[in-house]
Amino acid sequence: KAGVTQTPRYLIKTRGQQVTLSCSPISGHRSVSWYQQTPGQGLQFLFEYFSETQRNKGNFPGRFSGRQFSNSRSEMNVSTLELGDSALYLCASSSAGYQETQYFGPGTRLLVL
Amino acid sequence: DQQVKQNSPSLSVQEGRISILNCDYTNSMFDYFLWYKKYPAEGPTFLISISSIKDKNEDGRFTVFLNKSAKHLSLHIVPSQPGDSAVYFCAALRSQGNLIFGKGTKLSVKP
Repeated sequence: KAGVTQTPRYLIKTRGQQVTLSCSPISGHRSVSWYQQTPGQGLQFLFEYFSETQRNKGNFPGRFSGRQFSNSRSEMNVSTLELGDSALYLCASSSAGYQETQYFGPGTRLLVL
Repeated sequence: DQQVKQNSPSLSVQEGRISILNCDYTNSMFDYFLWYKKYPAEGPTFLISISSIKDKNEDGRFTVFLNKSAKHLSLHIVPSQPGDSAVYFCAALRSQGNLIFGKGTKLSVKP
């Protein structure tokens, strides 16, 4: 099976712009979670989607949003980018059963100038 | 409020010896724990997990121990190899919840 894929791998934006990141889960996985990794804060949970519905949400401002499509692919959008949004954005998928392991993609490195 | 803590930011071990990475948690509702390994510029790779109904799980060179009364888990790598050098993240999960990660421990295995 192919792993979790994320596009693009690298992105440079300027403050005030918006960005959309994409994630394709492992085939058969219905749950997709998004995480932000920064040197100071580690890995922080953004949100989780299951069957096109947001099932869980972390403590991030409303500028961060996401969605999931019927084929389980997910997108994450950040509007009005700030310098502090520079981070590695990681997507993880699981089959969404009880105590299922999440498998991560390689991440999208976002740099906001 | 950090619910999952990895108090050692780094650990250096000689090749062939045992590496012990530690993790503490505060939320007694966590019932599933995982360890991930991460290389720079890559996503975390799942290593091993343990359910709260167990106190030990072993997979090859990797063993995870869970002490629920102490809210403590540890990952043992025996024998350590230079390729094990990476950042190791401990993560905890509760039913209907999301993964909560520690801040990681950077392991260096020296030849």
